[in-house]
Amino acid sequence: EPEVTQTPSHQVTQMGQEVILRCVPISNHLYFYWYRQILGQKVEFLVSFYNNEISEKSEIFDDQFSVERPDGSNFTLKIRSTKLEDSAMYFCASSEAGTGFNSPLHFGNGTRLTVT
Amino acid sequence: SQELEQSPQSLIVQEGKNLTINCTSSKTLYGLYWYKQKYGEGLIFLMMLQKGGEEKSHEKITAKLDEKKQQSSLHITASQPSHAGIYLCGADRNQAGTALIFGKGTTLSVSS
Repeated sequence: EPEVTQTPSHQVTQMGQEVILRCVPISNHLYFYWYRQILGQKVEFLVSFYNNEISEKSEIFDDQFSVERPDGSNFTLKIRSTKLEDSAMYFCASSEAGTGFNSPLHFGNGTRLTVT
Repeated sequence: SQELEQSPQSLIVQEGKNLTINCTSSKTLYGLYWYKQKYGEGLIFLMMLQKGGEEKSHEKITAKLDEKKQQSSLHITASQPSHAGIYLCGADRNQAGTALIFGKGTTLSVSS
C-alpha cells in the first residue's frame, strides 16, 4: 500500500539553526499538508499546499516557516531559525483531493524535532 | 474557529468489552474523520462520515454522525489489545475544505 515517507525520523538542532524536514507524499496525491504535535498536546494544522502554492495556513505558520515542493516527489518544511518551542513531532500528510471532497489525509510517521 | 471536543480523555477497558468515544463540534461538521494513532507514530485513517445520520462499520468499529452533524461517536465491539491507541476525530477546518483540524484524542487501553 502506498505510504507517505518522512525523513529524518529524528532531528536534533540548536536554537537559531535552520532545519528542513522532508516528505515524499503518495505519488498520485495532489494536496499536501504539514501538522505538528507538541508532546502531550493535540495535532495542530500548520499549512496545506496545492498546485505549487499555499492554499491555507494557520496562525502558527509564521514567517519562520516555509514550504516547498522542489521536484515532483518531495515536499519540505523549513524552519528558518528554530526556537525551543518548535520542539515537536512534525507530520506530513497528503490527499488525492481537498478535504472538501471528502478525501482523507494519509499521514507519514513523523519527524521528531528536538531544539536544544 | 471550529473546535472538536472528545470524551472521554482516556479509557481503560477489559478485553472483550464494548466502548464508545464521542466527538462534539462547536459548529456544523462538513466532514468527520476518525483516525487512530499509536504513541509516537503517524495517524492511521479509519473512517469518514459525510451525511447527517450516516453510519459506517469496519471490522469491529462503527462510527456514526448525528442528524444535526455536530456530534459523532466511535463504537468498538468486543475490544481487543490491538484496539489500544489514541483515537482522534478530525473535521474540515472550514467550508472550503482545504485542511482538517483534530480533537485532543481519546487514549484507549485494553487490558487482557
